[in-house]
Amino acid sequence: AQSVAQPEDQVNVAEGNPLTVKCTYSVSGNPYLFWYVQYPNRGLQFLLKYITGDNLVKGSYGFEAEFNKSQTSFHLKKPSALVSDSALYFCAVDSGSARQLTFGSGTQLTVLP
Amino acid sequence: AAGVIQSPRHLIKEKRETATLKCYPIPRHDTVYWYQQGPGQDPQFLISFYEKMQSDKGSIPDRFSAQQFSDYHSELNMSSLELGDSALYFCASSQTSGRATDTQYFGPGTRLTVL
Repeated sequence: AQSVAQPEDQVNVAEGNPLTVKCTYSVSGNPYLFWYVQYPNRGLQFLLKYITGDNLVKGSYGFEAEFNKSQTSFHLKKPSALVSDSALYFCAVDSGSARQLTFGSGTQLTVLP
Repeated sequence: AAGVIQSPRHLIKEKRETATLKCYPIPRHDTVYWYQQGPGQDPQFLISFYEKMQSDKGSIPDRFSAQQFSDYHSELNMSSLELGDSALYFCASSQTSGRATDTQYFGPGTRLTVL
């Protein structure tokens, strides 16, 4: 079985400040981790993924995420938040055996001007 | 760049009616996935297809069926609709055999409302 936890339903940050959206996972086998963003009434847009290799993954729109195996975490980060980053962020995990994405409950990010 | 196309974008049905949702994957993508996202919920995996064969099955009700056609488009057929089926239905596609490492690219979704 595989699962994802996003402990924060809501994250507020001021524009220009760094942001972090937290994600922890549980999976048997190798974890393949993904971040998606969802704007209102829109589909899920892929941001980045970790498969193997460098623990720091860089993705779209200046986002990055750090894979930490010992803490089973994959937190999403951005050095300087924009108001346009305000959206719903989903962390997801897949494993070699599952071949299906299991999503976290989502974190609503609000960047305040 | 071409994206996943879903039709219709919105659908309103009565209880006990049937509905068919269509998904056209990104060109050269051979794997299609269906997800259901209820109000305020995270997306839940329903079913996937690779090369026109069912690949994996998730929490898809027996009232639902799906298939992938020779042109790789997929249809999700839903019968005996219930109020609880009201949700956003996403289709996603990926290339190279539906491996767990593949990135799934999502369509805009079909919002189904059952009255």
